[in-house]
Amino acid sequence: KNQVEQSPQSLIILEGKNCTLQCNYTVSPFSNLRWYKQDTGRGPVSLTIMTFSENTKSNGRYTATLDADTKQSSLHITASQLSDSASYICVAVYGNNRLAFGKGNQVVVIP
Amino acid sequence: DAGVIQSPRHEVTEMGQEVTLRCKPISGHDYLFWYRQTMMRGLELLIYFNNNVPIDDSGMPEDRFSAKMPNASFSTLKIQPSEPRDSAVYFCASSLRGPISGANVLTFGAGSRLTVL
Repeated sequence: KNQVEQSPQSLIILEGKNCTLQCNYTVSPFSNLRWYKQDTGRGPVSLTIMTFSENTKSNGRYTATLDADTKQSSLHITASQLSDSASYICVAVYGNNRLAFGKGNQVVVIP
Repeated sequence: DAGVIQSPRHEVTEMGQEVTLRCKPISGHDYLFWYRQTMMRGLELLIYFNNNVPIDDSGMPEDRFSAKMPNASFSTLKIQPSEPRDSAVYFCASSLRGPISGANVLTFGAGSRLTVL
């Protein structure tokens, strides 16, 4: 079954601290792995896109990693800010433009 | 560019009524996707178009749902008759090429929140 599992489901972190979100996927044939940020009441916004040959990609304070062998990805947030409070969705692209979405990691940053 | 534009942003209707959601993709984008998001199931693909032609509608729940793309700048998702279980946020997204093109960004609209009473 083509699916994406994310953990933890939710977490609370202090402003200025780092955190890491996990994503495991089982899709075939795999094409690329994406992370999106979704603010409450808004549509998802793309953070990173990685193909199977890429191990890491950064976008400002966001760094995504990909291990295509173990089918795992992570999103690291450095020096968190209040504006990082959002849901982070992992998406695995496979087959003929098919997307498997995780249910998201809900991050709350508190001052 | 104004991005992907969806309307209405919010819709409250009664069971049995017809609902039409609208989407204007980013100019020049050849792919258009309709997704539904609920707390229980997350984001799910309903249908996608390539050059105005429906390519994959396997996610459309049942015959009550239909989608059209009469031209490159407009698409509609229609639910008739609507039911309470259709309550969700419906997103439209567009991209220049298909998502399997690794560097290709899929841009989402702000969504249409539908509540069926």
